[in-house]
Amino acid sequence: EVQLVESGGGVVQPGGSLRLSCAASGFTFSSYWMNWVRQAPGKGLEWVANLKKDESERYYVDSVKGRFTTSRDNAKNSLYLQMNSLRADDTAVYYCARGFGATGIGFDIWGQGTKVTVSS
Amino acid sequence: AIRITQSPSSLSASTGDRVTITCRASEGINNYLAWYQQKPGRAPELLIHAASTLQSGVPSRFSGSGSGTDFTLTISGLQSEDFATYYCQQYYAYSPTFGGGTRVEIK
Repeated sequence: EVQLVESGGGVVQPGGSLRLSCAASGFTFSSYWMNWVRQAPGKGLEWVANLKKDESERYYVDSVKGRFTTSRDNAKNSLYLQMNSLRADDTAVYYCARGFGATGIGFDIWGQGTKVTVSS
Repeated sequence: AIRITQSPSSLSASTGDRVTITCRASEGINNYLAWYQQKPGRAPELLIHAASTLQSGVPSRFSGSGSGTDFTLTISGLQSEDFATYYCQQYYAYSPTFGGGTRVEIK
C-alpha cells in the first residue's frame, strides 16, 4: 500500500524550532518530487516547499524562505522539514505529499498530517 | 504567483443533484489543473488531474473540463459520501496555488 506518515508536530513557542518527518512506503521514494502542504485551522491549503528526487532542486513559498529547510534521505524513504523562527501564522496541519507530473507540484498521495501549534 | 479564484465558496445540494464548481486562473495554465476532495479531519484526496483526467478509483460521476484560465468540476448525481470541501490547484508554475475551496453541504 502506498503510504505517507508524518510525525514530529507539537506545540512550540514563537521563535522556536521543530522538525517534521514523513515516512514513505509502498513506492519508489527516490523517483519522486516530494512536497509539504499546510492548512491553518479552518482555512484552505497552502503549498510550503518541495524537493526534487535527488535534492538538486528545492523551492519554498515566500513566507517560509530563510526559516524552513526541506531535506530527504532516500535510503530511509524519508522526507524532513526543519522549521526555525516559528511564528503564530505557521500554526497549521502539515501534510507531506508526493508530487506528480513534470513539475512535481501536483499532489497524488497525501499523508494524514501532523499538527503544529505555535503559541506562548 | 498565479491566483486561482474558486466559486462558489459553499453550496447546498441534495442527493442526486448535479453540482458545478468553477475555478479561474489569473493567467493561462494550459491544462495543469487538479481537483481535490477533503472531508473533515482528513487529508485531501486527488480526484482529477490534467483538468479532466479522473484519478484511478474515482467514481465516474466526477468530471472536469476546461483549459487555459477557466475550469469546471461537475458531480453528476451527488451521493452522500460526496459532501465535502473541494479545492482546485494549478501546477503549471511556482508557487503552486489552490483555490479557496467549495464546501458542499446537504440541503
